[in-house]
Amino acid sequence: ETGVTQTPRHLVMGMTNKKSLKCEQHLGHNAMYWYKQSAKKPLELMFVYNFKEQTENNSVPSRFSPECPNSSHLFLHLHTLQPEDSALYLCASSGTTMRGGKTPLHFGHGTRLTVT
Amino acid sequence: LAKTTQPISMDSYEGQEVNITCSHNNIATNDYITWYQQFPSQGPRFIIQGYKTKVTNEVASLFIPADRKSSTLSLPRVSLSDTAVYYCLVGDLGVGGNQFYFGTGTSLTVIP
Repeated sequence: ETGVTQTPRHLVMGMTNKKSLKCEQHLGHNAMYWYKQSAKKPLELMFVYNFKEQTENNSVPSRFSPECPNSSHLFLHLHTLQPEDSALYLCASSGTTMRGGKTPLHFGHGTRLTVT
Repeated sequence: LAKTTQPISMDSYEGQEVNITCSHNNIATNDYITWYQQFPSQGPRFIIQGYKTKVTNEVASLFIPADRKSSTLSLPRVSLSDTAVYYCLVGDLGVGGNQFYFGTGTSLTVIP
């Protein structure tokens, strides 16, 4: 148990489907992140939320739509995806130190997405 | 954003000390250096973080020279379970900071 829970662990969807990935953190953190990791590639940052406000959108296509209703929950809504979107989608969170800086990233186990 | 450069891959025998160096020539004054470990199909895990000189914890040491243009992660007496990808991140830890961009990482293989 990492403190960051992602569901589902595996997802297979067709290109015309709509699905959502869910992330929940139990660490009291105030920042949450979505990353995409394709096979044998580094992590690509997708979105950053600080205190529920989106602060980074790393040129992600509109078929990926994030939602952060509160500091503990983060969703990634998916629609009309392409086969090349198949990847491991990782959620992370970070908190704030007593000095006001950010703590290291804490990752979930990820959702393995396959688009057929 | 400080760019980092690491070796693509490294091999080591069990029981040896492994040193992985990361170059970050344009590191900024407010930037910290953080290392993560990632096993296949899992999220990265925090290993160690530092600003200057040397930091040591129960799993690794981090050496940072005075000019801070590079850093070296040292793993003592590696075992097969240390086979993983190791990422070096450099960035500002402030509330509006940017230490969440990952580079290519170093794939470490520990050989029996």
